[in-house]
Amino acid sequence: EDQVTQSPEALRLQEGESSSLNCSYTVSGLRGLFWYRQDPGKGPEFLFTLYSAGEEKEKERLKATLTKKESFLHITAPKPEDSATYLCAVQSREGYQKVTFGTGTKLQVIP
Amino acid sequence: EAQVTQNPRYLITVTGKKLTVTCSQNMNHEYMSWYRQDPGLGLRQIYYSMNVEVTDKGDVPEGYKVSRKEKRNFPLILESPSPNQTSLYFCASSPGTVNTEAFFGQGTRLTVV
Repeated sequence: EDQVTQSPEALRLQEGESSSLNCSYTVSGLRGLFWYRQDPGKGPEFLFTLYSAGEEKEKERLKATLTKKESFLHITAPKPEDSATYLCAVQSREGYQKVTFGTGTKLQVIP
Repeated sequence: EAQVTQNPRYLITVTGKKLTVTCSQNMNHEYMSWYRQDPGLGLRQIYYSMNVEVTDKGDVPEGYKVSRKEKRNFPLILESPSPNQTSLYFCASSPGTVNTEAFFGQGTRLTVV
């Protein structure tokens, strides 16, 4: 059974204080690992897809990296508008296309 | 504007009264799926569809039905809702079976009393 564990559950940062969110996963053959951002009362918003270990992707202050066991979402010099819940999900290669999500990291950036 | 539209946004119903939550996408996406989101449990996939007339179970399919008769629509049917199906539901679509860049709807908050 595919599993995704995100840590920490919640993170409070001062504006400009860089940090990383962790996503550990077990999957029987990784087809893709995804990062989403979710604001309160809204649906998740896609950020990145990573396919293989060593891959990195960047978007503004966010950078996602992938190893064979975990992914990190690095947030550089965050701003208050980066406050949200960040979700990680994996999709397995094993003959079907279902997606497994972690429970998320709730990030609060204080001015 | 590219979007996934769910209706209704809010619904309160009674145990056993059949209901349908509609989902429509205007991006010609092949892959669509339904999730429920509960505190502490995160998003859990209910059903997904890789194309018209092709659907399969996710992690929590019990008590739900889906159909994919047209590419753009993927309704979620609760034949006999129970209180444990009270949740926030999301529909999502993506252009391919790898679920890249999934677009999510605004959510449907369902309460079953």
